[in-house]
Amino acid sequence: EDQVTQSPEALRLQEGESSSLNCSYTVSGLRGLFWYRQDPGKGPEFLFTLYSAGEEKEKERLKATLTKKESFLHITAPKPEDSATYLCAVPTTGTASKLTFGTGTRLQVTL
Amino acid sequence: NAGVMQNPRHLVRRRGQEARLRCSPMKGHSHVYWYRQLPEEGLKFMVYLQKENIIDESGMPKERFSAEFPKEGPSILRIQQVVRGDSAAYFCASLGIVGSGNTIYFGEGSWLTVV
Repeated sequence: EDQVTQSPEALRLQEGESSSLNCSYTVSGLRGLFWYRQDPGKGPEFLFTLYSAGEEKEKERLKATLTKKESFLHITAPKPEDSATYLCAVPTTGTASKLTFGTGTRLQVTL
Repeated sequence: NAGVMQNPRHLVRRRGQEARLRCSPMKGHSHVYWYRQLPEEGLKFMVYLQKENIIDESGMPKERFSAEFPKEGPSILRIQQVVRGDSAAYFCASLGIVGSGNTIYFGEGSWLTVV
């Protein structure tokens, strides 16, 4: 059965304190790994898709990396507005777009 | 997010009533997904539709839930005879192509409360 596990469940950082979120997955024949950001009361906002081990993508203070078993979302010098839940997801085995989600990492960045 | 439109954003229903949630995908997208997010749980796939066709409904509860995506108009997720356990956020998503791969864009969700 496909599994996506995110850690930690919650993370509290001070502004400027860099860290990484982890997403480990078990799926046959990875067809991409998606990262989303979700604010309270909102829908998931697309951040990145990674397709192959070694691939990296960046957007502002965020950088996503992918290995054969896990992905990391690195947050460099975070600001309070980066506070959100970060979700990762992979297409279910045998599909290209039906997603299995992790339960997310709830990030809080304080001044 | 702005491109996938869902309504209503918030809906309150009494037990036994029907709930209808609507979704218009991003312009040019003809594939729609519905996901459910229960309190303190992750997003769970419910159904995948193309216009006039259900592709995969493996995540739909067997009873009371149905979905359609007609040739004209929005996709509809219908929940009959709602129970308290149906209280959740229901998200619609549509599939687009960005660069060389697929990207799935979500709407802002419809929050259903059953009282």
